[in-house]
Amino acid sequence: QQPVQSPQAVILREGEDAVINCSSSKALYSVHWYRQKHGEAPVFLMILLKGGEQKGHEKISASFNEKKQQSSLYLTASQLSYSGTYFCGTEDSGAGSYQLTFGKGTKLSVIP
Amino acid sequence: DTAVSQTPKYLVTQMGNDKSIKCEQNLGHDTMYWYKQDSKKFLKIMFSYNNKELIINETVPNRFSPKSPDKAHLNLHINSLELGDSAVYFCASSRGTVPSYEQYFGPGTRLTVT
Repeated sequence: QQPVQSPQAVILREGEDAVINCSSSKALYSVHWYRQKHGEAPVFLMILLKGGEQKGHEKISASFNEKKQQSSLYLTASQLSYSGTYFCGTEDSGAGSYQLTFGKGTKLSVIP
Repeated sequence: DTAVSQTPKYLVTQMGNDKSIKCEQNLGHDTMYWYKQDSKKFLKIMFSYNNKELIINETVPNRFSPKSPDKAHLNLHINSLELGDSAVYFCASSRGTVPSYEQYFGPGTRLTVT
């Protein structure tokens, strides 16, 4: 089941903050966040695991509400380099799933 | 040094042809993946290998066949190409299977079927 991301797109001025949300209808074991710039490969940002463990980017923060099956990515004091499409990938709690199902992405544009 | 590399970067071919895409990673990872990203940017997993063993085989036409000759390589062969196969195909690798390990993506292969 594909997670739902919101918003679909957002435009920010440099220095502004943004929140990108990811929600699933299934119980989740982990949520991954990736950023993809135009014409490039997705790049890892963060992993949030059931139980509270996090791994990832120093300048980007995220939360994972296991009960609500939701995750949010917080981008503060945005820079031009933050522009790109952000994808969340979720792993269901089902045993042996071993795979990420990605959302449709949130396109973030940061303008001067 | 390129961590995950793919060849070719671009592939333009006609319907009905057979083509292959190659992927290599020099990160020492155990797990490799093939993803398809369509024109709407939807990123969908196709296959995954862990230590040369196929562990994910999504609902993909039989015309697609992955092969992993060793842990560092994962190839994708596509028979009888169709217009709908046009997409960007990404190879990725990770130290182990999800959930704990980040995935490193290759630069992608843009396949255009005419």
